[in-house]
Amino acid sequence: DVKVTQSSRYLVKRTGEKVFLECVQDMDHENMFWYRQDPGLGLRLIYFSYDVKMKEKGDIPEGYSVSREKKERFSLILESASTNQTSMYLCASSGQGLSNQPQHFGDGTRLSIL
Amino acid sequence: ILNVEQSPQSLHVQEGDSTNFTCSFPSSNFYALHWYRWETAKSPEALFVMTLNGDEKKKGRISATLNTKEGYSYLYIKGSQPEDSATYLCAFEETSGSRLTFGEGTQLTVNP
Repeated sequence: DVKVTQSSRYLVKRTGEKVFLECVQDMDHENMFWYRQDPGLGLRLIYFSYDVKMKEKGDIPEGYSVSREKKERFSLILESASTNQTSMYLCASSGQGLSNQPQHFGDGTRLSIL
Repeated sequence: ILNVEQSPQSLHVQEGDSTNFTCSFPSSNFYALHWYRWETAKSPEALFVMTLNGDEKKKGRISATLNTKEGYSYLYIKGSQPEDSATYLCAFEETSGSRLTFGEGTQLTVNP
């Protein structure tokens, strides 16, 4: 079974802090994604990556950056956390160039910015 | 940003009822349509990935149909059980292996 592991289930940080959310997958997937989920808004894509050291902006990249130094790890960085970044963050991975492949999700990190 | 819409937003049914909900998506540049189930305190779980117009997929009591020409997919649950309570998400994939655009989901509650 594909395993996507997010480093924390719950995290509380203060406004202005630099926050790192870590995601690791064990299936040698090329594609990795970061989403946030807010009530009434569904899953919105923040950033994604098709390969090591590659990154692409999603729909809501402002205030975030990412790092993909190794294939299995994709980190989401909140450069200077703000209260409007309080949300549920989900990481996902999928294989490249394969048909009918779903995305596999981690359990999510519920982040509160005080 | 692509427009993927799901209806209804929420649904309450009694155990044993059959139910269905809709996902509408762009009919151009279609590659695949995904369905996921997201139970509270768990991670979203893939149900189906559909690529062919007219396709129908089934997994136990859950099935889905796809119409790529008119841009909609239906998800059906036959004989709903309380354990079916979850948010059901659809997602549009524009090209192979690319990013997904998700709908807002349909929150299903099945009362015993």
